[in-house]
Amino acid sequence: SQQGEEDPQALSIQEGENATMNCSYKTSINNLQWYRQNSGRGLVHLILIRSNEREKHSGRLRVTLDTSKKSSSLLITASRAADTASYFCATGPVSVGTSYGKLTFGQGTILTVHP
Amino acid sequence: KAGVTQTPRYLIKTRGQQVTLSCSPISGHRSVSWYQQTPGQGLQFLFEYFSETQRNKGNFPGRFSGRQFSNSRSEMNVSTLELGDSALYLCASGLSGAPRRYFGPGTRLTVT
Repeated sequence: SQQGEEDPQALSIQEGENATMNCSYKTSINNLQWYRQNSGRGLVHLILIRSNEREKHSGRLRVTLDTSKKSSSLLITASRAADTASYFCATGPVSVGTSYGKLTFGQGTILTVHP
Repeated sequence: KAGVTQTPRYLIKTRGQQVTLSCSPISGHRSVSWYQQTPGQGLQFLFEYFSETQRNKGNFPGRFSGRQFSNSRSEMNVSTLELGDSALYLCASGLSGAPRRYFGPGTRLTVT
């Protein structure tokens, strides 16, 4: 089952514009990750934010986390055509022991950046 | 380091057959997970192996099974294939104690 919802389901923008994607989740978490997937290929890790963090930056990426609302957002600034991909948020179980292998993914946002 | 590799990349099978998919994790990664991705259900967790032991299992029928070898390589098997098993099967590996996962390119399985 999916952990939560992502919106929008699809986003179409022009190069240079910013893209914002939102993710909601249902259970308590100790971290939330964002992954990118290009056209039916493997997922690439973008950024991780821990439950005690509210905001994190990595290059053109900015992630926020609001644990009270069980939601996160991913902002990509100055988008490029190469950013065209599907973006997924993922959460893992709180009690993980020594392994974090079980991730629950959102439905994803399909981002299209037009040159 | 080489990334996660999956073989084969593409596979076409007939209903009722069985299939075995293989995954080689990044060197040093002992945790290997499998996911099924379909347009309708999205990304769903199948199972996770750590040091040759299944640690977690998703909500899939018993036709889906897996194993991990002492070198951390993993295989998953689907028996008695159904049309609905057509999907992209993704393998991910990671370090114990680190939440970040590294995904392979996937195996695209088509069941006819």
